[in-house]
Amino acid sequence: GAGVSQSPRYKVAKRGQDVALRCDPISGHVSLFWYQQALGQGPEFLTYFQNEAQLDKSGLPSDRFFAERPEGSVSTLKIQRTQQEDSAVYLCASTWGRGYEQYFGPGTRLTVT
Amino acid sequence: AQTVTQSQPEMSVQEAETVTLSCTYDTSESNYYLFWYKQPPSRQMILVIRQEAYKQQNATENRFSVNFQKAAKSFSLKISDSQLGDTAMYFCAFKATGAQKLVFGQGTRLTINP
Repeated sequence: GAGVSQSPRYKVAKRGQDVALRCDPISGHVSLFWYQQALGQGPEFLTYFQNEAQLDKSGLPSDRFFAERPEGSVSTLKIQRTQQEDSAVYLCASTWGRGYEQYFGPGTRLTVT
Repeated sequence: AQTVTQSQPEMSVQEAETVTLSCTYDTSESNYYLFWYKQPPSRQMILVIRQEAYKQQNATENRFSVNFQKAAKSFSLKISDSQLGDTAMYFCAFKATGAQKLVFGQGTRLTINP
């Protein structure tokens, strides 16, 4: 079956531009997560949705980061006025629910120039 | 807050050898899950093995096994009969039972040489 997909795979943005990163979770997965992975580091949690409700956004680094999942399926992570420190791989993961394995997408590599 | 530490940034072994990757964690939780994820150059994070903290028996998945020492807060991964396809970044991760997010270590880059 289809896994978690993310688009685009690569994104280059000029500093100050807005970007939108898309995640298509596995069909039927209730929970969706966004993680940020800086070069050479482990992923760090950004935010979590259960269906369309954003239950935890404690990892978002600033108010320039915004995530949504309006219909409880596809999610979009938006970064406004991008900065160089936003350069990273953004990973999306989905799962049936608490206690189940998180399935990861291939990530979007964002480079801010 | 939980922390996960992987003290070996890089490791390299010959094909068919056995290799052990180390992971320690810090938590005040009594119930939690521990995971090892593999991330090849394609970036797709793949679950290798998981361990529930309440289980005393160490988890095994084919060539992969863990040594879980709850009192020492240690969770090492042993790869037996290593293969070229095992070359990847390996991340140790923690999840409290009552929480949703994973907390990852910094990763160990493992290279299997022919």
